[in-house]
Amino acid sequence: DIQMTQSPSSLSASVGDRVTITCRASQSIRSYLSWFQQKPEKAPKLLIYTASTLQSGVPSRFSGSGSETDFALTISSLQPEDFATYYCQQSYSTPRTFGQGTKVEF
Amino acid sequence: QVQLQESGPGLVKPSETLSLTCTVSGYSISRNYYWGWIRQPPGKGLEWVGSISHSGGTFYNPSLNSRVTVSGDTSKNQFSLRLSSVTVADTAVYFCAAYTATNDVHYWGQGTLVTVSS
Repeated sequence: DIQMTQSPSSLSASVGDRVTITCRASQSIRSYLSWFQQKPEKAPKLLIYTASTLQSGVPSRFSGSGSETDFALTISSLQPEDFATYYCQQSYSTPRTFGQGTKVEF
Repeated sequence: QVQLQESGPGLVKPSETLSLTCTVSGYSISRNYYWGWIRQPPGKGLEWVGSISHSGGTFYNPSLNSRVTVSGDTSKNQFSLRLSSVTVADTAVYFCAAYTATNDVHYWGQGTLVTVSS
């Protein structure tokens, strides 16, 4: 299985801050990397796929970068509705493994 | 718009089989996409369980060994999950989902909590 390691596991931030979350794969996954946002008691929401493609309807303050083994999700100016848990997931091979999650809180 | 809805028992006894169904509306499961299951134990992260492709191929998480089966019923436009010999570690919210190889499409059901307890 491909292991996905996110960091940090949690972070404290304020509205307006620039936030970056990283995700490292245990082997090359080319650009088969997605980012999801999950709020309490809700299903995850797709933000970014193929490492840097913004899903339709997702605000442009979200961006993704990276390839092969190292990836990042950046929120350029954190908004109140962005406080949530974020997960990366590789879709290069089965099983489609997730990172352990990063909780963004006040 | 693709919509997915999970259904099934919310309580399963240890050693028994967990069975869930996902009813799909707005899209035929035989047309395209992978149709899969993802679970989340309370307070923990996401784990991909398994899936079935639109052409009937199945894919499973090796960590679940041979306990998991995903099947499809095109006549009802549903797909199902069976997880045998459950333990308390299988307690989780189970989400059904539809997605492509690159995740440029990824729909989710609302999730259903299944508790394993005697």
